Amino acid sequence: SAVISQKPSRDICQRGTSLTIQCQVDSQVTMMFWYRQQPGQSLTLIATANQGSEATYESGFVIDKFPISRPNLTFSTLTVSNMSPEDSSIYLCSVEGQGGYGYTFGSGTRLTVV
Amino acid sequence: AQSVTQPDIHITVSEGASLELRCNYSYGATPYLFWYVQSPGQGLQLLLKYFSGDTLVQGIKGFEAEFKRSQSSFNLRKPSVHWSDAAEYFCAVGSKAAGNKLTFGGGTRVLVKP
Repeated sequence: SAVISQKPSRDICQRGTSLTIQCQVDSQVTMMFWYRQQPGQSLTLIATANQGSEATYESGFVIDKFPISRPNLTFSTLTVSNMSPEDSSIYLCSVEGQGGYGYTFGSGTRLTVV
Repeated sequence: AQSVTQPDIHITVSEGASLELRCNYSYGATPYLFWYVQSPGQGLQLLLKYFSGDTLVQGIKGFEAEFKRSQSSFNLRKPSVHWSDAAEYFCAVGSKAAGNKLTFGGGTRVLVKP
């Protein structure tokens, strides 16, 4: 399976600022997924990013708040914009596995907004 | 829409005892099913997956799961729990019809008593 490097592993940010999270994969993949895990909660899909096209966002998530880039088949970024304490979460990227189903996850970025 | 329910929020088990975690899904066709484990402060690790074929699936770390279509269940089992199995366990469902996205259950936190 693919190996994912996700950075930063954690950060503490001031409200109103933005943070960009990077996800690097050791092999080419078509689909990449970004998830959010709020404290004590399960994972919720933010968006699906395919190379060469706009990301597809899930209900409740918008591009202005979570812009995503996917410049090539091994890399993606998620930006959390104009942060508030409610954005404090773990953000994880995931890449497709067998049959096109994302099943390998990065180690996550633990974000705290103060 | 696909959904996943993990009825047990917490389970406490003695070391050496057996463990069973419940997962029920809602989906019209045959879904693709996964179990992940998340240790404290860690990312998600895939334990096992079911796409088709044999309904009893073997995974890593001595875990297995059984797909029961009639009960819409995919319960995870381990015959003898080790202290290192203390973690959060997530069941997830995916499907092509849902755009290859994963929907996660709420998770079950497993505590292991010495």
